[in-house]
Amino acid sequence: AQRVTQPEKLLSVFKGAPVELKCNYSYSGSPELFWYVQYSRQRLQLLLRHISRESIKGFTADLNKGETSFHLKKPFAQEEDSAMYYCALSAQGGSEKLVFGKGMKLTVNP
Amino acid sequence: DAGVTQSPTHLIKTRGQHVTLRCSPISGHKSVSWYQQVLGQGPQFIFQYYEKEERGRGNFPDRFSARQFPNYSSELNVNALLLGDSALYLCASSLEQGPIPLHFGNGTRLTVT
Repeated sequence: AQRVTQPEKLLSVFKGAPVELKCNYSYSGSPELFWYVQYSRQRLQLLLRHISRESIKGFTADLNKGETSFHLKKPFAQEEDSAMYYCALSAQGGSEKLVFGKGMKLTVNP
Repeated sequence: DAGVTQSPTHLIKTRGQHVTLRCSPISGHKSVSWYQQVLGQGPQFIFQYYEKEERGRGNFPDRFSARQFPNYSSELNVNALLLGDSALYLCASSLEQGPIPLHFGNGTRLTVT
């Protein structure tokens, strides 16, 4: 079975501080991993996916197959980063079924 | 831009009733999927449709059904509503199949009393 775990529900930091949102997964095959974000009063949207290997809004995430993790990081948080963040997994084969974690609320204080 | 649109935005139903939720994908998108998001949880996959055929089904009872129309819009139907069906129902569309970026709608908030 596929499972995504986001161990922390809430994270509060000050502007300019580094942030790391943890994500661990359970899947025996080769997954695709994603981070989705939901800003206040907006719809859920893709932030980044591991195969793109790109930095979006200063965020990066590296897939660590040994530790089965896909942590989201940003060196200097901004107030506009405050949002709900969801880690999601797609099983091998390109299935459109996404398995989401429970989400984490990031608050960046001024 | 015209993103994924869902209707209605809110709905209140009584236990045992039936409900139909509607979704219009982004123009040109052929794949539609449905997710249920219970308060405090992440979205949970219900169905995926591509080119009007069911391509994936999550772990939901047969009371849940869906279909996709020739114009790629979709309906999610839930029969014999239970209190536990109260949730935000999200529709997402994408150009093709696969986990390529899903574009989500704002959802339909269903409350079952």
